[in-house]
Amino acid sequence: KAGVTQTPRYLIKTRGQQVTLSCSPISGHRSVSWYQQTPGQGLQFLFEYFSETQRNKGNFPGRFSGRQFSNSRSEMNVSTLELGDSALYLCASSLVGGRSSYEQYFGPGTRLTVT
Amino acid sequence: SQKIEQNSEALNIQEGKTATLTCNYTNYSPAYLQWYRQDPGRGPVFLLLIRENEKEKRKERLKVTFDTTLKQSLFHITASQPADSATYLCATRGYSTLTFGKGTMLLVSP
Repeated sequence: KAGVTQTPRYLIKTRGQQVTLSCSPISGHRSVSWYQQTPGQGLQFLFEYFSETQRNKGNFPGRFSGRQFSNSRSEMNVSTLELGDSALYLCASSLVGGRSSYEQYFGPGTRLTVT
Repeated sequence: SQKIEQNSEALNIQEGKTATLTCNYTNYSPAYLQWYRQDPGRGPVFLLLIRENEKEKRKERLKVTFDTTLKQSLFHITASQPADSATYLCATRGYSTLTFGKGTMLLVSP
């Protein structure tokens, strides 16, 4: 079974631009979560989608948004990029969403650099 | 909200020894704790889950304990190998989100 895939793997953008990252979950997984990872803050939860609905949202500004499609694929968008948005963005899928204890299967991440 | 604390200092041990990593949580006792391994530039990989009513869980050379009195989980790797060198993350689900610790880097030298 193919794992979680994320595209692109690397991205360089300029301050003020916007970016869209894509994630394809493991086949059969309907829950997709997004995380931002930086050396100082560690892994921080952005949002979780289940069956095309945003179930939970982390403490990030409205510049960060996402969506999930009917095939469970998900995208996240960051508008008006700031230098502090430079990070590894990780997508994870799981069999179910919400308060389930099911483990998360992570993709390789997208390394975003904002200059 | 739940806060997960892991030792930020890297743990250096010799091959063959047992590595023990600590995860402390600060608020209510979580229903479960998960442990993940992360290699540089890659996404975390799930290793083990332990529920609050389980004292201990084992998987091959890995062992996890859960002490609700101490608000702590310990992660052990026995007979450690250089290939075990990585960052290990502890995580639990709070009211609505999965919260991760910042991880502890383990370095196993030959």
